[in-house]
Amino acid sequence: SSELTQDPAVSVALGQTVRITCQGDSLRSYYASWYQQKPGQAPVLVIYGKNNRPSGIPDRFSGSSSGNTASLTITGAQAEDEADYYCNSRDSSGNHPNVVFGGGTKLTVL
Amino acid sequence: QVQLQQWGAGLLKPSETLSLTCAVYGGSFSGYYWSWIRQPPGKGLEWIGEINHSGSTNYNPSLKSRVTISVDTSKNQFSLKLSSVTAADTAVYYCARVSYYDSSGYYYYYMDVWGKGTTVTVSS
Repeated sequence: SSELTQDPAVSVALGQTVRITCQGDSLRSYYASWYQQKPGQAPVLVIYGKNNRPSGIPDRFSGSSSGNTASLTITGAQAEDEADYYCNSRDSSGNHPNVVFGGGTKLTVL
Repeated sequence: QVQLQQWGAGLLKPSETLSLTCAVYGGSFSGYYWSWIRQPPGKGLEWIGEINHSGSTNYNPSLKSRVTISVDTSKNQFSLKLSSVTAADTAVYYCARVSYYDSSGYYYYYMDVWGKGTTVTVSS
């Protein structure tokens, strides 16, 4: 089915490492992409593919995948990383392609 | 650097048709999918649909009966129409560029360029 599941909220102490996960059957065929969204702003792509960062995204952001689970890791979280994070994937398992977003994870940096 | 500029009516009455356009500046129009996504107030992202340069479309099954996405390659623009709107369609609407390809049997799908968003309110 076309669903991606994320934990609604995660917190991390300043400078520590945090992992945000995304589960879904489509992730067995598609790499998840990850987006950061701050209040009042459009989403920004932070990770795509196996572990690729667009230009301008700090290297403290990394991605990984295993089976039906994708993870976004922030190593040494900064105050400016506090935001909502969404995973995204295409799903071609049905009669017609579908695209899904996870419900989002609100990251709080303490 | 690719930029997406979007525009359209921001206030609609129930039963009217939402119409938004997104123009692509500074990059190729072909070789990508072009997508519409929305975000109701205080909620998450919802994919509406996508189109490629040749006009091939895919739609969210939950919206398919009301959605039409079209492309004008001569202007590097793509458009969204959503008919019979209700208050539930109140949201910020985004356009985005989509890269979609496979590598060694695994697929890449990501939205790397986004418009700034258009707030659409449906109210009588």
